[in-house]
Amino acid sequence: LAKTTQPISMDSYEGQEVNITCSHNNIATNDYITWYQQFPSQGPRFIIQGYKTKVTNEVASLFIPADRKSSTLSLPRVSLSDTAVYYCLVGGSARQLTFGSGTQLTVLP
Amino acid sequence: DSGVTQTPKHLITATGQRVTLRCSPRSGDLSVYWYQQSLDQGLQFLIQYYNGEERAKGNILERFSAQQFPDLHSELNLSSLELGDSALYFCASSVRDNPGLPTYEQYFGPGTRLTVT
Repeated sequence: LAKTTQPISMDSYEGQEVNITCSHNNIATNDYITWYQQFPSQGPRFIIQGYKTKVTNEVASLFIPADRKSSTLSLPRVSLSDTAVYYCLVGGSARQLTFGSGTQLTVLP
Repeated sequence: DSGVTQTPKHLITATGQRVTLRCSPRSGDLSVYWYQQSLDQGLQFLIQYYNGEERAKGNILERFSAQQFPDLHSELNLSSLELGDSALYFCASSVRDNPGLPTYEQYFGPGTRLTVT
């Protein structure tokens, strides 16, 4: 499974757009990029998944450059309730999820 | 609400004891996954079942075992408990288990917090 690197923590203010970047230099051809969100003492929640270019859903956008060695999760207009840990996962058909340390996002008023 | 249910929510037991954690997947999901989350180890995959059969094993100790029943609910059995087994145990489920297709959209339950004293 590809190793991922993401910032340990980030701070933002309410109403701002937040971009969290994940590096995955050894991503394989058939690997997908997936992001999860986890609140304290709750199970992770699937946010978005993509393979290349850009994916957007009602919660976030995922930007993947052509070389796919990194990806950026974009959260538009964050609120206090977006304070959570965000995990970047990279893999293909492997059935297990391998979580790294994640990025602790703190949204300030 | 993910649709995955786990019982009990909290469990306090003593070292050396045995406990069983239960998980009911979302309706229609055939795959069940178990994860352990502790402060020092983070979130770790333990084991996966698909339609009653074991499909993948992660960092699961020999003292731990799991099974998935015909109604698709799953149980995780933890025996000879040690203080270090204190953690949050999550169950997740997903629909697909098709090699070659991404199966990374998993739905997690609320977890069972196990405290071993």
